[in-house]
Amino acid sequence: DAGVIQSPRHEVTEMGQEVTLRCKPISGHNSLFWYRQTMMRGLELLIYFNNNVPIDDSGMPEDRFSAKMPNASFSTLKIQPSEPRDSAVYFCASSLRATQYFGPGTRLTVL
Amino acid sequence: AQTVTQSQPEMSVQEAETVTLSCTYDTSESDYYLFWYKQPPSRQMILVIRQEAYKQQNATENRFSVNFQKAAKSFSLKISDSQLGDAAMYFCAYRTLNSGGGADGLTFGKGTHLIIQP
Repeated sequence: DAGVIQSPRHEVTEMGQEVTLRCKPISGHNSLFWYRQTMMRGLELLIYFNNNVPIDDSGMPEDRFSAKMPNASFSTLKIQPSEPRDSAVYFCASSLRATQYFGPGTRLTVL
Repeated sequence: AQTVTQSQPEMSVQEAETVTLSCTYDTSESDYYLFWYKQPPSRQMILVIRQEAYKQQNATENRFSVNFQKAAKSFSLKISDSQLGDAAMYFCAYRTLNSGGGADGLTFGKGTHLIIQP
């Protein structure tokens, strides 16, 4: 079974540019989560979806961040415009019941 | 809001010895899940073990076991016969049961860096 797939694995961009991170959850899972990991703040939940519907986006830091889940097999997290403080590792996770399974993460560097 | 506290930023253990990582949490809920995840240098988040709050029996997975003390809101991880491959960051995490039957996000502790001495 393929796990959660994220792309790209690494992204380097310049301040002000748009960044799109992508996630394919495990087939059959009905919940999808986006997390951010930084040294200062640790692992934080940004947003999650149940059955493709956004349930809680209270963790999204600013209006510059947006997430979509157009279907059960794809989600995007977009940052526009990006800023250096957005540099972090972004994880996508999916679950069917209790346990969340994580993708490999995208390391984002904003110069 | 729920909080998860890992009071040990770093722990060191000799190979083949036993080590216990501490975790406490704060919640007003009665039903929830607790997890330990491992993050090696590859940064992949790997599930180590899961505990349902309604179960009194402590979860075990091979060399990994937990000591779940619900009244004390404590959830420690014991690693027996430590191996070099156990070296990683270990995160304690909490998840509530959603009343609508859906999933909620995880609340993580800050992590414990486990070093295995050969």
